[in-house]
Amino acid sequence: DGGITQSPKYLFRKEGQNVTLSCEQNLNHDAMYWYRQDPGQGLRLIYYSQIVNDFQKGDIAEGYSVSREKKESFPLTVTSAQKNPTAFYLCASTTYVRGGTEAFFGQGTRLTVV
Amino acid sequence: QQQVKQSPQSLIVQKGGISIINCAYENTAFDYFPWYQQFPGKGPALLIAIRPDVSEKKEGRFTISFNKSAKQFSLHIMDSQPGDSATYFCAAWFYTDKLIFGTGTRLQVFP
Repeated sequence: DGGITQSPKYLFRKEGQNVTLSCEQNLNHDAMYWYRQDPGQGLRLIYYSQIVNDFQKGDIAEGYSVSREKKESFPLTVTSAQKNPTAFYLCASTTYVRGGTEAFFGQGTRLTVV
Repeated sequence: QQQVKQSPQSLIVQKGGISIINCAYENTAFDYFPWYQQFPGKGPALLIAIRPDVSEKKEGRFTISFNKSAKQFSLHIMDSQPGDSATYFCAAWFYTDKLIFGTGTRLQVFP
């Protein structure tokens, strides 16, 4: 089955620790995205990558880092510099279809700081 | 301004009724406008999308109305069903590069 796989589904982090969220896609899409979702605030863009070995900051990149060494993988590291990391994190990949761009989302990783 | 404003924040509709969610934007660089449906604990899924040169698009019970001059667009869900209960997000593509989301509308459809 083609799709986007995020792991783990739930993640607990102690304050001061870095954690890495995994995102893998087998859709052969060039572009991949990371969003953060908080209650009542919708989805906010963290980082995105249009091609391998290139990525851009989104609206809330501070405290996060990414890499894009392979087309199918776009891991997100939540660093200790992120002051409020507890949130639902969503990864997406995109393709151009019928006059526009369609984004396909994974099932998310819920990160909790304990 | 790369923002999309969405209202209402929550909506309660009786089964069989019409659900209407509204969105507005300011930046004319937005060039494609999708709507997403999200169930609790899941990722958003594309529902329907429209280009700014089209005034209306219908897919089944879901219709997007688009007013380019007013920079507003809305989602209408006809014959709303309990299974439609979810959070709905409008969104806009900025130069097909960045996807910006509205803040979401939680829809509850009661039997």
